[in-house]
Amino acid sequence: NAGVTQTPKFQVLKTGQSMTLQCAQDMNHEYMSWYRQDPGMGLRLIHYSVGAGITDQGEVPNGYNVSRSTTEDFPLRLLSAAPSQTSVYFCASSLDRGDSPLHFGNGTRLTVT
Amino acid sequence: GQQVMQIPQYQHVQEGEDFTTYCNSSTTLSNIQWYKQRPGGHPVFLIQLVKSGEVKKQKRLTFQFGEAKKNSSLHITATQTTDVGTYFCAGSLGGSSNTGKLIFGQGTTLQVKP
Repeated sequence: NAGVTQTPKFQVLKTGQSMTLQCAQDMNHEYMSWYRQDPGMGLRLIHYSVGAGITDQGEVPNGYNVSRSTTEDFPLRLLSAAPSQTSVYFCASSLDRGDSPLHFGNGTRLTVT
Repeated sequence: GQQVMQIPQYQHVQEGEDFTTYCNSSTTLSNIQWYKQRPGGHPVFLIQLVKSGEVKKQKRLTFQFGEAKKNSSLHITATQTTDVGTYFCAGSLGGSSNTGKLIFGQGTTLQVKP
């Protein structure tokens, strides 16, 4: 079992560029989520999904879009990158919403210059 | 909105000393989870507490969930260098308010001097 797979591991963008962070899980988990981690801020929820076709906003959704067309995949799109989006991004999945342990991917370290 | 506060932010201890991190929520939680993140790694699930007043132990780690289900603590007895990392609590709302969000505290980073 691969678990939760995130790509890429590292990315450097220029301000204004767009990109998609990929996340895939092979555990048939209904719940998937994206967090960003910044020093002293802990893990902040960006967007989450309780099942295919359903997404909702977390604590810090501005500047990010998500979609959930399949159970396995939950990509995160940065529409127009800003330096404030420099962070480490984690994708996580769990069996169901909020009540099951989260399985995290290895993270994507994004730098926006 | 729902907030989960965690203190302290940093803790430096001598190997063999005890360590405690505290987590407080502004709202009642349906459950609380604890995670550990090693330097350079990703958060890894440790335990989940569901019942009011619940206490669970994992070797030298003791986890408590408050009677009002608004606070929790993690206590490590006789720390070892392998305990180094950042410990996060994460809370979920329950009942009709269960939006599916799991909100993390800011984390407590533990350094252990050998």
